[in-house]
Amino acid sequence: AQSVTQPDIHITVSEGASLELRCNYSYGATPYLFWYVQSPGQGLQLLLKYFSGDTLVQGIKGFEAEFKRSQSSFNLRKPSVHWSDAAEYFCAVGVPFRGYNKLIFGAGTRLAVHP
Amino acid sequence: EAQVTQNPRYLITVTGKKLTVTCSQNMNHEYMSWYRQDPGLGLRQIYYSMNVEVTDKGDVPEGYKVSRKEKRNFPLILESPSPNQTSLYFCASSLSRQGDQPQHFGDGTRLSIL
Repeated sequence: AQSVTQPDIHITVSEGASLELRCNYSYGATPYLFWYVQSPGQGLQLLLKYFSGDTLVQGIKGFEAEFKRSQSSFNLRKPSVHWSDAAEYFCAVGVPFRGYNKLIFGAGTRLAVHP
Repeated sequence: EAQVTQNPRYLITVTGKKLTVTCSQNMNHEYMSWYRQDPGLGLRQIYYSMNVEVTDKGDVPEGYKVSRKEKRNFPLILESPSPNQTSLYFCASSLSRQGDQPQHFGDGTRLSIL
């Protein structure tokens, strides 16, 4: 069965430090890949997505992610974290299911940023 | 402004009292979906709809109903709520069912069933 694993439940970084959030998926082919961010009291906002082509994708708010087929991974990175990046981050894959592409989410990684 | 609107945002109620969470989108999207979010489990799909009058079960449909009589609205109905349905609920919509368009999420509805 398809699944998405985010190994880190909580991560704490200092403001200005670099960040990498891990995401691994289980699927036989290359799925659509997404990262969403959820700020407190709000819905999910799309950070970036990968469908095909260049394996390094740029998103909003200075985030990027790299697709590595050999590792079935789609890790999210940011070179310098800002306090406003504190939020919960979800990796998701879109896989064909009954005529549409179904989103399967990871459990999320909660990011705390120390000043 | 393009948006998905859920109401209510917060609700505390008691076991067995029927409730409806409304969801409306103003983007003329075909595809809509309901998720519940629980700690450590991420978002799990409850029901989805590919168009008017076309709905189907997601991964955790037990205890829920939906309807899609109009394109813009996709209400979630709990006929007889139970405490295990205490959760944070999200409605989402997308222009395309093919997954090449991102899903737009509402701000969530926090339900507490006592």
